[in-house]
Amino acid sequence: EPEVTQTPSHQVTQMGQEVILRCVPISNHLYFYWYRQILGQKVEFLVSFYNNEISEKSEIFDDQFSVERPDGSNFTLKIRSTKLEDSAMYFCASVDSRSYNEQFFGPGTRLTVL
Amino acid sequence: RKEVEQDPGPFNVPEGATVAFNCTYSNSASQSFFWYRQDCRKEPKLLMSVYSSGNEDGRFTAQLNRASQYISLLIRDSKLSDSATYLCVVIRGSQGNLIFGKGTKLSVKP
Repeated sequence: EPEVTQTPSHQVTQMGQEVILRCVPISNHLYFYWYRQILGQKVEFLVSFYNNEISEKSEIFDDQFSVERPDGSNFTLKIRSTKLEDSAMYFCASVDSRSYNEQFFGPGTRLTVL
Repeated sequence: RKEVEQDPGPFNVPEGATVAFNCTYSNSASQSFFWYRQDCRKEPKLLMSVYSSGNEDGRFTAQLNRASQYISLLIRDSKLSDSATYLCVVIRGSQGNLIFGKGTKLSVKP
């Protein structure tokens, strides 16, 4: 069964450092998303991506964040200068159409900012 | 007001019990509704979509009341493996972005 994969599973970084979280969506999917979940909190939408551009972003997704689909398979989330409050689980998701079909989530990357 | 609200629980029930979860949403323009399940430190996984006519999948029944902006999930004959956090989710906007409730934790005991 096809699945969304994410690397690394756990990333530890120092405050102020740049991190790149990687995702490989399911191959025939067209819409891609990043969500985050701070420990003990709800899952929050960050950004949606379609046709090589951002289609919507939340207020959380400020100038420190960027997304890219560099090679047609990977989908990355970059945080330019990490803050302590960026510590969270980051989930990538993809769906084959926007017709409200199931979004498939990756296993997540746990980001710890020290 | 939170966009999606759920009773956080926890619900502690014995095996075989019937348990019901409720959820309300604030945006009347919300168009699609789901229940996801999340195990501890894992990704959310779709349990079932929720339709206006109500729908059932085995031991699970979901209901939607658009007038009251209320969604429910009923689990019959609870199993130990049902222990998880159940997330009420709506789609807001045209990009398919999922808006999650904080979840209701269920613990099924032997």
